Amino acid sequence: GAGVSQSPSNKVTEKGKDVELRCDPISGHTALYWYRQSLGQGLEFLIYFQGNSAPDKSGLPSDRFSAERTGGSVSTLTIQRTQQEDSAVYLCASSLVRLAYSYNEQFFGPGTRLTVL
Amino acid sequence: SQQGEEDPQALSIQEGENATMNCSYKTSINNLQWYRQNSGRGLVHLILIRSNEREKHSGRLRVTLDTSKKSSSLLITASRAADTASYFCATVSNSGGSNYKLTFGKGTLLTVNP
Repeated sequence: GAGVSQSPSNKVTEKGKDVELRCDPISGHTALYWYRQSLGQGLEFLIYFQGNSAPDKSGLPSDRFSAERTGGSVSTLTIQRTQQEDSAVYLCASSLVRLAYSYNEQFFGPGTRLTVL
Repeated sequence: SQQGEEDPQALSIQEGENATMNCSYKTSINNLQWYRQNSGRGLVHLILIRSNEREKHSGRLRVTLDTSKKSSSLLITASRAADTASYFCATVSNSGGSNYKLTFGKGTLLTVNP
């Protein structure tokens, strides 16, 4: 079946503009994750969804970042008033339902490369 | 902050040789995973080793885990040019509230020369 898809694959924006990044998880996967990969910080966890709720937003770097998930499926990561330091590859992953102390493999999408000029 | 730290940062070998990458981490883990990332593509899960395991094999991959030293190694045997990629270790915490979150190291860039 189809894997995790993300759009757009590349986004170039001007400083101060808002951007929306989209993630389509694998059908049936209830857990969804956003990560960010940048040169300076490596791969960082941003936020985790279980269904439509986000029990862990601890990785969001500032209040300019927000994410939502609707219908237990598609998720949107929004960055308001973008800054140059937001430039990075934003990766989305999904997995089957999370069980305590059980491994749920995370399947990653190809990422969205965001460049803020 | 990065939990795992891989070394070396970059490794260049000839096709057919073995490649060994190491990863160290700082806190108690439930499991440790290795991922591969090809240029311009997403992360691909390679192998997982649980905290109570010491060694695991999958095809040409061999992973070891030493929880007393908080370290792991990934061995790729008989390397191929197609193995050229960045390799990341990622840990899952043993604390009940965070056992879904992957914490990644900075990665090792492996180049396999034909």
